[in-house]
Amino acid sequence: NAGVTQTPKFQVLKTGQSMTLQCAQDMNHEYMSWYRQDPGMGLRLIHYSVGAGITDQGEVPNGYNVSRSTTEDFPLRLLSAAPSQTSVYFCASSPPSEGYYEQYFGPGTRLTVT
Amino acid sequence: EDKVVQSPLSLVVHEGDTVTLNCSYEVTNFRSLLWYKQEKKAPTFLFMLTSSGIEKKSGRLSSILDKKELFSILNITATQTGDSAVYLCAVGGAGSYQLTFGKGTKLSVIP
Repeated sequence: NAGVTQTPKFQVLKTGQSMTLQCAQDMNHEYMSWYRQDPGMGLRLIHYSVGAGITDQGEVPNGYNVSRSTTEDFPLRLLSAAPSQTSVYFCASSPPSEGYYEQYFGPGTRLTVT
Repeated sequence: EDKVVQSPLSLVVHEGDTVTLNCSYEVTNFRSLLWYKQEKKAPTFLFMLTSSGIEKKSGRLSSILDKKELFSILNITATQTGDSAVYLCAVGGAGSYQLTFGKGTKLSVIP
């Protein structure tokens, strides 16, 4: 199993551009989520999904969209990039453990918005 | 609003030392507390502690949960340089699929 994969690994955007961060998992996990991690901060939840067709907002959803058309994929869209969105983005998935808390993380995407 | 506070923020020890990392929390309808280890890249799961499992141990790592005082500790005995990492504590509340993370404790183990 490849586990959780993310592409790209690095990305530089100009303010106002849009892009999609890709996330895929091959473990047939119902739960998937997106976090951002900034220096000196813990992980903050952006959006999550408990199954295909079901998504919900986390702590910091503004400026991001998600959709979940398949169990395997959970892309994160930045609609109009802003410098405040410079961060490392992690995608995670979870088997049906207690609350879906035992999460497996992808390697991350480092995004810089200039 | 759920809150997780970890201490210390950073710690430097010598190989062979024993360390204790602290995590205090406030969460509505507590369900679980988790510890993750983050080296250079992605966090990896270490332990989950719940009402029905307040102590966990794996090799040199162990963790306890005090639901009355709302804190948890992560102990690492006989530390090795490979234990150098950021250790993250997170909590989840009943009825929520969201984890709230602390800022982490950066542990550096020097030879």
